[in-house]
Amino acid sequence: DTEVTQTPKHLVMGMTNKKSLKCEQHMGHRAMYWYKQKAKKPPELMFVYSYEKLSINESVPSRFSPECPNSSLLNLHLHALQPEDSALYLCASSQSRGPPTGELFFGEGSRLTVL
Amino acid sequence: QKEVEQDPGPLSVPEGAIVSLNCTYSNSAFQYFMWYRQYSRKGPELLMYTYSSGNKEDGRFTAQVDKSSKYISLFIRDSQPSDSATYLCAMSSDSNYQLIWGAGTKLIIKP
Repeated sequence: DTEVTQTPKHLVMGMTNKKSLKCEQHMGHRAMYWYKQKAKKPPELMFVYSYEKLSINESVPSRFSPECPNSSLLNLHLHALQPEDSALYLCASSQSRGPPTGELFFGEGSRLTVL
Repeated sequence: QKEVEQDPGPLSVPEGAIVSLNCTYSNSAFQYFMWYRQYSRKGPELLMYTYSSGNKEDGRFTAQVDKSSKYISLFIRDSQPSDSATYLCAMSSDSNYQLIWGAGTKLIIKP
C-alpha cells in the first residue's frame, strides 16, 4: 500500500463547480508535488512544494490552485475547469527537492472528469 | 527531438522470458536515472534508482546506465504476468531537479 494517500479516487464535476483534491503523506518527506497525467502519456509536473514553499509553477492555468497547509498535506483547488482538464491527478512526495534523495513516491491518483 | 526517447510498445513476451526495456536521451548533464512501473489506473511506483553509469540489481530487475552512449536499460528476468504494466524511465541533472520522463513502454507478459 502506498504511503501517499489521495482523496477522492474519482471526481466528476461540472465546469462551474469548485472542488478540491487532497493528498497526505506519512513518510516525513519535505517536498510534495502535483502531477497531471493524460492517458498513455507520462506525468506532467504542475506544482512543487519544498519545505511548504511553492518553488515551481509550470505556467499552469489559474483555475488550478495549490495549497500546502503543512509538510504532510497538499491540496489542489479546482474552479471553472474545462473538459480538457479531465485526467489522472497524481500527488507525490520526496525526502528532499533534489537528488540524491529526490526519488518520488506517488499516490494512486484522483481521476477527474469534467463535464 | 525529445530529450528522452522511449518506445511506447506494446511489447508482448511469453512468461519466463527476459525482458529488455530501453531509453535514450540527449542531455549529457543527466546524472540520476529512474525506472517507474505503473499499473493501469494506479500511480507510478519507483522500481530502480541509479546514479551515473553502471549496473544496479534488485531481485529479478537490473538497471544499466551507459552514459557514453546516452542509453539506459531495465532488464526483467523470469518475467511474470504480474509484471504486465507500463514502464517509464525518468532522469534529472544536478542543475535541474525536475524529472524528464520517457513516454512509457507498455509491457504484456503472456501466460
